Amino acid sequence: SAVISQKPSRDICQRGTSLTIQCQVDSQVTMMFWYRQQPGQSLTLIATANQGSEATYESGFVIDKFPISRPNLTFSTLTVSNMSPEDSSIYLCSVEIGGRGTEAFFGQGTRLTVV
Amino acid sequence: GENVEQHPSTLSVQEGDSAVIKCTYSDSASNYFPWYKQELGKRPQLIIDIRSNVGEKKDQRIAVTLNKTAKHFSLHITETQPEDSAVYFCAASKNSGNTPLVFGKGTRLSVIA
Repeated sequence: SAVISQKPSRDICQRGTSLTIQCQVDSQVTMMFWYRQQPGQSLTLIATANQGSEATYESGFVIDKFPISRPNLTFSTLTVSNMSPEDSSIYLCSVEIGGRGTEAFFGQGTRLTVV
Repeated sequence: GENVEQHPSTLSVQEGDSAVIKCTYSDSASNYFPWYKQELGKRPQLIIDIRSNVGEKKDQRIAVTLNKTAKHFSLHITETQPEDSAVYFCAASKNSGNTPLVFGKGTRLSVIA
């Protein structure tokens, strides 16, 4: 299994500002995933962060809006830039232990409210 | 890319009855199908998964079936209890490369005591 520490757990931010979310895993993993879960909705993959290379973004998500860092095999950050109320959501990091096609573990999520 | 459809979006059952949630997927190359339970304000937790080399898997009151030909898989919960109330998500992925875990839209299950 994996223990994932994600912070902050929640934040209220002013529009136009940026927030950086941190995700720390207790073991080394090749890929880390960032998801967005809008209120009452499912999980949508934002990007895949592979250590040593640029993150791969899904359709509808761009690096300028959601820059990601992956400095080592246990840590990643997601920044939500130039925020608007539409960015209010829960952001979750996730890892899969053992490679693709195995159980995905999630951080506790960051509940972001933009006012 | 992969597309996962999940039905129903909401489901209410009486305590002790069974609940069935169904999902279909579009990419025949997908071969891993997990189910997650998410309680209010909490992170998703894996409850059961199945790989494409088996047709059914059971864990106590929970079972999952997979029909590769029809590209659908289902979650069955028997003898439901109030603590089963939550949102359930199905997902699908390929067991290789950087392909993402694609989630269904979720089913809100309410078990009425």
